[in-house]
Amino acid sequence: EPEVTQTPSHQVTQMGQEVILRCVPISNHLYFYWYRQILGQKVEFLVSFYNNEISEKSEIFDDQFSVERPDGSNFTLKIRSTKLEDSAMYFCASSEFALRDSSYEQYFGPGTRLTVT
Amino acid sequence: AQKITQTQPGMFVQEKEAVTLDCTYDTSDPSYGLFWYKQPSSGEMIFLIYQGSYDQQNATEGRYSLNFQKARKSANLVISASQLGDSAMYFCAMRDDNQGGKLIFGQGTELSVKP
Repeated sequence: EPEVTQTPSHQVTQMGQEVILRCVPISNHLYFYWYRQILGQKVEFLVSFYNNEISEKSEIFDDQFSVERPDGSNFTLKIRSTKLEDSAMYFCASSEFALRDSSYEQYFGPGTRLTVT
Repeated sequence: AQKITQTQPGMFVQEKEAVTLDCTYDTSDPSYGLFWYKQPSSGEMIFLIYQGSYDQQNATEGRYSLNFQKARKSANLVISASQLGDSAMYFCAMRDDNQGGKLIFGQGTELSVKP
Protein backbone atom coordinates (compact mmCIF):
# COMPACT_ATOMS: atom_id res chain seq x y z
CA GLU A 1 0.00 0.00 0.00
CA PRO A 2 1.42 3.43 -0.90
CA GLU A 3 2.40 5.60 2.02
CA VAL A 4 3.74 9.02 2.89
CA THR A 5 7.29 8.92 4.18
CA GLN A 6 9.13 11.50 6.25
CA THR A 7 12.77 11.99 7.15
CA PRO A 8 14.32 12.25 9.61
CA SER A 9 12.17 10.61 12.25
CA HIS A 10 13.82 12.73 14.93
CA GLN A 11 15.83 15.93 14.59
CA VAL A 12 17.59 17.74 17.38
CA THR A 13 18.81 21.24 16.65
CA GLN A 14 20.02 24.29 18.49
CA MET A 15 17.99 27.45 18.71
CA GLY A 16 18.66 29.72 15.77
CA GLN A 17 19.67 26.93 13.41
CA GLU A 18 17.92 26.14 10.15
CA VAL A 19 16.20 22.80 9.71
CA ILE A 20 14.68 21.11 6.70
CA LEU A 21 12.08 18.43 7.19
CA ARG A 22 11.52 16.15 4.25
CA CYS A 23 8.46 14.34 3.01
CA VAL A 24 7.72 12.09 0.06
CA PRO A 25 3.96 12.20 -0.60
CA ILE A 26 2.08 9.44 -2.36
CA SER A 27 3.00 9.64 -6.02
CA ASN A 28 -0.35 10.43 -7.66
CA HIS A 29 -1.45 12.87 -4.98
CA LEU A 30 -1.90 16.52 -5.83
CA TYR A 31 -2.47 18.24 -2.49
CA PHE A 32 0.18 18.43 0.19
CA TYR A 33 0.03 19.63 3.76
CA TRP A 34 2.17 20.25 6.80
CA TYR A 35 0.76 20.04 10.30
CA ARG A 36 2.40 20.25 13.67
CA GLN A 37 1.56 18.80 17.05
CA ILE A 38 3.15 20.21 20.18
CA LEU A 39 3.50 17.48 22.77
CA GLY A 40 0.17 16.73 24.42
CA GLN A 41 -1.76 19.14 22.24
CA LYS A 42 -3.95 18.94 19.18
CA VAL A 43 -2.77 18.78 15.61
CA GLU A 44 -2.52 22.23 14.01
CA PHE A 45 -2.56 23.09 10.33
CA LEU A 46 0.48 24.93 9.00
CA VAL A 47 0.24 25.11 5.23
CA SER A 48 -1.35 23.53 2.17
CA PHE A 49 0.32 23.32 -1.22
CA TYR A 50 -1.15 22.67 -4.64
CA ASN A 51 0.08 23.16 -8.17
CA ASN A 52 3.49 24.29 -6.96
CA GLU A 53 2.23 27.05 -4.77
CA ILE A 54 0.87 27.64 -1.31
CA SER A 55 -2.92 27.50 -1.33
CA GLU A 56 -3.40 28.40 2.32
CA LYS A 57 -1.28 29.04 5.39
CA SER A 58 -2.04 29.50 9.04
CA GLU A 59 -0.96 32.25 11.41
CA ILE A 60 1.74 29.91 12.69
CA PHE A 61 3.32 29.78 9.25
CA ASP A 62 5.23 33.05 9.46
CA ASP A 63 8.28 34.25 7.54
CA GLN A 64 10.49 31.74 9.33
CA PHE A 65 8.74 28.90 7.50
CA SER A 66 8.85 27.97 3.84
CA VAL A 67 7.81 24.99 1.76
CA GLU A 68 9.12 23.66 -1.49
CA ARG A 69 8.58 20.82 -3.90
CA PRO A 70 12.03 20.84 -5.46
CA ASP A 71 11.94 17.79 -7.71
CA GLY A 72 8.40 16.52 -8.18
CA SER A 73 8.62 13.90 -5.47
CA ASN A 74 9.92 15.56 -2.31
CA PHE A 75 7.99 18.12 -0.29
CA THR A 76 10.03 20.04 2.24
CA LEU A 77 9.37 22.30 5.19
CA LYS A 78 12.16 24.68 6.13
CA ILE A 79 12.40 26.58 9.38
CA ARG A 80 15.02 29.29 8.95
CA SER A 81 15.86 30.13 12.54
CA THR A 82 14.39 27.69 15.01
CA LYS A 83 12.95 28.74 18.34
CA LEU A 84 12.34 26.67 21.44
CA GLU A 85 8.62 26.80 20.76
CA ASP A 86 9.10 25.12 17.38
CA SER A 87 9.69 21.85 19.23
CA ALA A 88 6.89 19.59 18.06
CA MET A 89 5.97 16.63 15.89
CA TYR A 90 5.65 17.73 12.28
CA PHE A 91 3.36 15.72 10.05
CA CYS A 92 3.28 15.79 6.30
CA ALA A 93 0.05 14.71 4.61
CA SER A 94 -1.11 14.28 1.05
CA SER A 95 -4.41 13.85 -0.70
CA GLU A 96 -5.38 12.82 -4.19
CA PHE A 97 -8.01 15.53 -4.38
CA ALA A 98 -9.49 18.10 -2.08
CA LEU A 99 -12.85 18.36 -3.76
CA ARG A 100 -15.88 19.64 -1.96
CA ASP A 101 -17.80 16.85 -0.32
CA SER A 102 -15.34 14.18 -1.36
CA SER A 103 -14.19 11.32 0.76
CA TYR A 104 -10.59 11.70 -0.30
CA GLU A 105 -8.73 11.30 2.93
CA GLN A 106 -5.46 12.88 3.81
CA TYR A 107 -2.76 10.29 4.30
CA PHE A 108 -0.37 11.24 7.06
CA GLY A 109 3.30 10.43 7.25
CA PRO A 110 4.81 9.03 10.45
CA GLY A 111 6.01 12.47 11.53
CA THR A 112 9.32 14.10 12.36
CA ARG A 113 9.89 14.93 16.00
CA LEU A 114 11.78 18.21 16.14
CA THR A 115 13.53 19.10 19.37
CA VAL A 116 15.00 22.60 19.66
CA THR A 117 17.48 23.07 22.49
CA ALA B 1 -14.79 30.26 11.96
CA GLN B 2 -14.81 26.50 11.86
CA LYS B 3 -14.30 24.66 15.12
CA ILE B 4 -14.16 21.09 16.40
CA THR B 5 -14.83 20.26 20.04
CA GLN B 6 -14.04 17.04 21.85
CA THR B 7 -15.19 17.36 25.43
CA GLN B 8 -13.83 14.07 26.79
CA PRO B 9 -10.10 14.32 27.54
CA GLY B 10 -10.02 10.68 28.64
CA MET B 11 -12.29 7.66 28.47
CA PHE B 12 -12.12 4.15 29.89
CA VAL B 13 -13.87 1.13 28.43
CA GLN B 14 -13.88 -2.54 29.30
CA GLU B 15 -12.53 -4.88 26.65
CA LYS B 16 -15.27 -6.20 24.31
CA GLU B 17 -17.66 -3.38 25.20
CA ALA B 18 -18.72 -0.53 22.94
CA VAL B 19 -17.63 3.06 23.50
CA THR B 20 -18.74 6.40 22.08
CA LEU B 21 -16.31 9.27 21.63
CA ASP B 22 -17.99 12.65 21.31
CA CYS B 23 -17.32 15.29 18.68
CA THR B 24 -19.23 18.46 17.91
CA TYR B 25 -18.40 20.90 15.18
CA ASP B 26 -19.27 24.38 14.07
CA THR B 27 -19.29 25.66 10.52
CA SER B 28 -21.40 27.89 8.33
CA ASP B 29 -20.35 26.07 5.18
CA PRO B 30 -23.02 23.67 3.86
CA SER B 31 -20.34 21.36 2.45
CA TYR B 32 -17.79 19.78 4.75
CA GLY B 33 -16.22 16.47 5.64
CA LEU B 34 -15.70 14.92 9.04
CA PHE B 35 -12.89 12.50 9.83
CA TRP B 36 -11.70 10.44 12.74
CA TYR B 37 -8.05 9.60 13.20
CA LYS B 38 -6.38 7.30 15.72
CA GLN B 39 -2.99 8.19 17.17
CA PRO B 40 -1.33 5.35 19.10
CA SER B 41 1.56 5.98 21.46
CA SER B 42 3.97 5.53 18.54
CA GLY B 43 2.66 8.85 17.19
CA GLU B 44 1.42 8.12 13.69
CA MET B 45 -2.00 9.33 12.52
CA ILE B 46 -4.23 6.53 11.27
CA PHE B 47 -7.38 7.33 9.30
CA LEU B 48 -10.44 5.53 10.63
CA ILE B 49 -13.63 6.85 9.06
CA TYR B 50 -15.14 9.66 6.99
CA GLN B 51 -18.58 11.28 6.88
CA GLY B 52 -19.61 13.77 4.23
CA SER B 53 -22.06 16.52 5.06
CA TYR B 54 -24.46 15.35 2.35
CA ASP B 55 -24.26 11.66 3.17
CA GLN B 56 -27.67 10.34 4.08
CA GLN B 57 -26.40 7.32 5.97
CA ASN B 58 -24.00 7.08 8.87
CA ALA B 59 -20.55 5.89 7.84
CA THR B 60 -19.30 2.50 8.99
CA GLU B 61 -15.89 0.85 8.68
CA GLY B 62 -15.62 -2.50 10.39
CA ARG B 63 -15.90 -1.93 14.15
CA TYR B 64 -16.06 1.84 13.67
CA SER B 65 -19.24 3.74 12.99
CA LEU B 66 -19.98 7.42 12.96
CA ASN B 67 -23.17 8.67 14.57
CA PHE B 68 -23.80 11.75 12.43
CA GLN B 69 -26.47 14.12 13.70
CA LYS B 70 -26.37 17.07 11.34
CA ALA B 71 -28.94 19.22 13.14
CA ARG B 72 -26.99 18.87 16.37
CA LYS B 73 -23.67 19.27 14.56
CA SER B 74 -22.29 16.16 16.14
CA ALA B 75 -20.21 13.34 14.68
CA ASN B 76 -19.58 10.83 17.43
CA LEU B 77 -17.35 7.82 16.87
CA VAL B 78 -18.64 4.48 18.07
CA ILE B 79 -16.18 1.64 18.52
CA SER B 80 -17.84 -1.71 19.01
CA ALA B 81 -16.26 -4.69 20.74
CA SER B 82 -13.27 -2.75 22.08
CA GLN B 83 -9.88 -4.39 21.91
CA LEU B 84 -6.74 -3.68 23.92
CA GLY B 85 -5.14 -2.36 20.75
CA ASP B 86 -7.77 0.37 20.56
CA SER B 87 -6.06 2.19 23.42
CA ALA B 88 -4.88 5.41 21.80
CA MET B 89 -5.62 9.07 21.27
CA TYR B 90 -8.56 9.73 18.96
CA PHE B 91 -8.96 12.95 17.00
CA CYS B 92 -12.02 14.26 15.26
CA ALA B 93 -11.30 16.57 12.34
CA MET B 94 -13.26 18.65 9.88
CA ARG B 95 -12.11 19.40 6.38
CA ASP B 96 -12.42 22.98 5.28
CA ASP B 97 -13.86 22.70 1.79
CA ASN B 98 -13.34 26.35 0.97
CA GLN B 99 -9.67 26.39 0.22
CA GLY B 100 -7.17 23.59 -0.14
CA GLY B 101 -8.96 21.14 2.10
CA LYS B 102 -7.04 21.65 5.33
CA LEU B 103 -8.10 19.63 8.36
CA ILE B 104 -9.15 21.30 11.60
CA PHE B 105 -8.64 19.02 14.57
CA GLY B 106 -10.26 18.72 17.97
CA GLN B 107 -8.29 18.38 21.18
CA GLY B 108 -8.52 14.62 21.16
CA THR B 109 -9.81 11.93 23.50
CA GLU B 110 -7.48 9.44 25.10
CA LEU B 111 -9.13 6.03 25.17
CA SER B 112 -7.94 3.33 27.53
CA VAL B 113 -9.26 -0.20 27.09
CA LYS B 114 -9.15 -2.28 30.26
CA PRO B 115 -8.78 -6.08 30.16
